[in-house]
Amino acid sequence: KQEVTQIPAALSVPEGENLVLNCSFTDSAIYNLQWFRQDPGKGLTSLLLIQSSQREQTSGRLNASLDKSSGRSTLYIAASQPGDSATYLCAVIAEAGTALIFGKGTTLSVSS
Amino acid sequence: SQTIHQWPATLVQPVGSPLSLECTVEGTSNPNLYWYRQAAGRGLQLLFYSVGIGQISSEVPQNLSASRPQDRQFILSSKKLLLSDSGFYLCAWSPEETGGAYGYTFGSGTRLTVV
Repeated sequence: KQEVTQIPAALSVPEGENLVLNCSFTDSAIYNLQWFRQDPGKGLTSLLLIQSSQREQTSGRLNASLDKSSGRSTLYIAASQPGDSATYLCAVIAEAGTALIFGKGTTLSVSS
Repeated sequence: SQTIHQWPATLVQPVGSPLSLECTVEGTSNPNLYWYRQAAGRGLQLLFYSVGIGQISSEVPQNLSASRPQDRQFILSSKKLLLSDSGFYLCAWSPEETGGAYGYTFGSGTRLTVV
């Protein structure tokens, strides 16, 4: 059974720091991996999608990498801002057409 | 463009009362649809998914049921709510023909509090 783990569970940094959020999954045979952002009391906003054949994806200050063989993904946030404060969720799809399996998330707090 | 709508946004219901949460997707046809629940301190748990009208798969035995009466409509229901049904309910969709290759899109969620 696929399990997704995110470390750390919470992270507090001052504004301007570069930071890395980690995601690991137990079964390396994934179809793709998606990172989401969730603001308190809100739905999920998709940040980056990495298909199984890809190694990384970039969007603005965000960069996500995927190493299927080791069962790991990282989300890199450059020059963090207070507006980046949110919970970041990692999710994998085991096979095409199946549902996302989520980690419990990393709650990020960026202070000004 | 495609959009997903969920309502209501918040709901407070007494124990033993019925429940109906609705999710609709616009701008696409035959989407795969999903219901997730997010309870306090826990991750997102898949409850139901549907690949077509009348086709519902349940992931977790519980007090809830789902239906898909129309192609782009997904309904989560309960006949009698329990306190443990409290949580944040999220609907999601993905294009059927891609198998999720281009990701999943989530609605804004419904906060359910059972009192």
